[in-house]
Amino acid sequence: DAKTTQPNSMESNEEEPVHLPCNHSTISGTDYIHWYRQLPSQGPEYVIHGLTSNVNNRMASLAIAEDRKSSTLILHRATLRDAAVYYCILLYSGGGADGLTFGKGTHLIIQP
Amino acid sequence: NAGVMQNPRHLVRRRGQEARLRCSPMKGHSHVYWYRQLPEEGLKFMVYLQKENIIDESGMPKERFSAEFPKEGPSILRIQQVVRGDSAAYFCASSENQGINQPQHFGDGTRLSIL
Repeated sequence: DAKTTQPNSMESNEEEPVHLPCNHSTISGTDYIHWYRQLPSQGPEYVIHGLTSNVNNRMASLAIAEDRKSSTLILHRATLRDAAVYYCILLYSGGGADGLTFGKGTHLIIQP
Repeated sequence: NAGVMQNPRHLVRRRGQEARLRCSPMKGHSHVYWYRQLPEEGLKFMVYLQKENIIDESGMPKERFSAEFPKEGPSILRIQQVVRGDSAAYFCASSENQGINQPQHFGDGTRLSIL
C-alpha cells in the first residue's frame, strides 16, 4: 500500500496562507491524492482531491509535484475555523474497497 | 441541508446490551461506509455497503458486529453484547458513485459509551 507522511503539527497565523505538505514517495501512477480534515467533535470533511494536475476549489488548492511523490494543500487565507487535523490519503485502483485509510494527519493550529 | 445524518448522536449502553447506529446517506447516494474512531486513535474503516449488498467488510470485527443497508431506510450498524472496548465514535460516510476519485461525505458521528 502506498503510504503518506505528514508533519505532526503546524502553526500559522490567521489571515495568512498555509501550506500543508504530504510525502508519498511510493505512489503509483493511478493513485488519487485526497485531503480530508476533521474539526474537533465533528466528522471528517472532504477538502479536495487530484491525480496529476493542480486542483482548485472553494476551500483550498492542491499542488502536486511533477513526479507525484509529494503534494501540498494550500489554504489561501486561514481563519480560526480552519484549525483541524488534516489528512492526506491515497486511494489506489485495484484495492477492492474504497475505504479511506486515515493516518495521524497534521494538527493545524491557527493563531489569532 | 441534506447532508449525511447519523442518529443518535450519543448512545449509552451497559455491557451485554445491543447498540444500533443509524445512518441516512446524502440524497442520491447509494454507497455507504462505516468508520470507527477509538479514543486517542485515528479513524479506521470498517465496512462498505451499497444498497442491499455488503461490498467490503474487511475492517469489521468478526464477532458481534454487523451492518446492513436495506432497499428502503437507513444503513444500520449493529453491535451485539457490547463490551467496554466498543466505546468509540462511529462515523458514517456516503458517496454518489464508487471509485477512487469519489469524495466521501461524513456525518457527525455517534458517540457510543459503554458503562
